[in-house]
Amino acid sequence: KQEVTQIPAALSVPEGENLVLNCSFTDSAIYNLQWFRQDPGKGLTSLLLIQSSQREQTSGRLNASLDKSSGRSTLYIAASQPGDSATYLCAVAGGATNKLIFGTGTLLAVQP
Amino acid sequence: DVKVTQSSRYLVKRTGEKVFLECVQDMDHENMFWYRQDPGLGLRLIYFSYDVKMKEKGDIPEGYSVSREKKERFSLILESASTNQTSMYLCASSSDRFQETQYFGPGTRLLVL
Repeated sequence: KQEVTQIPAALSVPEGENLVLNCSFTDSAIYNLQWFRQDPGKGLTSLLLIQSSQREQTSGRLNASLDKSSGRSTLYIAASQPGDSATYLCAVAGGATNKLIFGTGTLLAVQP
Repeated sequence: DVKVTQSSRYLVKRTGEKVFLECVQDMDHENMFWYRQDPGLGLRLIYFSYDVKMKEKGDIPEGYSVSREKKERFSLILESASTNQTSMYLCASSSDRFQETQYFGPGTRLLVL
């Protein structure tokens, strides 16, 4: 059964810092891995999708990497801003269940 | 712009009531999904639909049913609401079942008293 873990559960950094969020998964037979952002009380916004054949994807200050063999992904945020404060969730598609399995997220607070 | 809307942002219902949550997407997507989100448990898939009138159970379908009569609309039905169904309900749609980006609605926070 695919399990997705995100560590740490919460992170607080000062504005301007570069930071890395971690995601690990147990079944490497995935189609893709997706990173989402969720603001308090709101729905999810898709940030990046990495296909299983890719190693990384970039969008603006965000860079996501994927290492299928080790079951890990990282989301790198450069020059963090208070507006980046949110919960970041990763999700993997594929594996035995062929569904999108979510981690429980990392709550990020960027202090001005 | 991609848009998924949900009929209510907040809902308060009593135990035993029948509850309808509606979701509408304007992207002509075949696939639509209902999730619930609970602290410490993350998002869990309740049901999904890959075509009009087609549905499949997700991981936690018990106590729920769904309806998809039109491509753009996917309804989640709680036949007899219970307190353990108090949760945040999120609807999503995508052009592929699980291999493309899912677009989410704003969520409905349901409280069952």
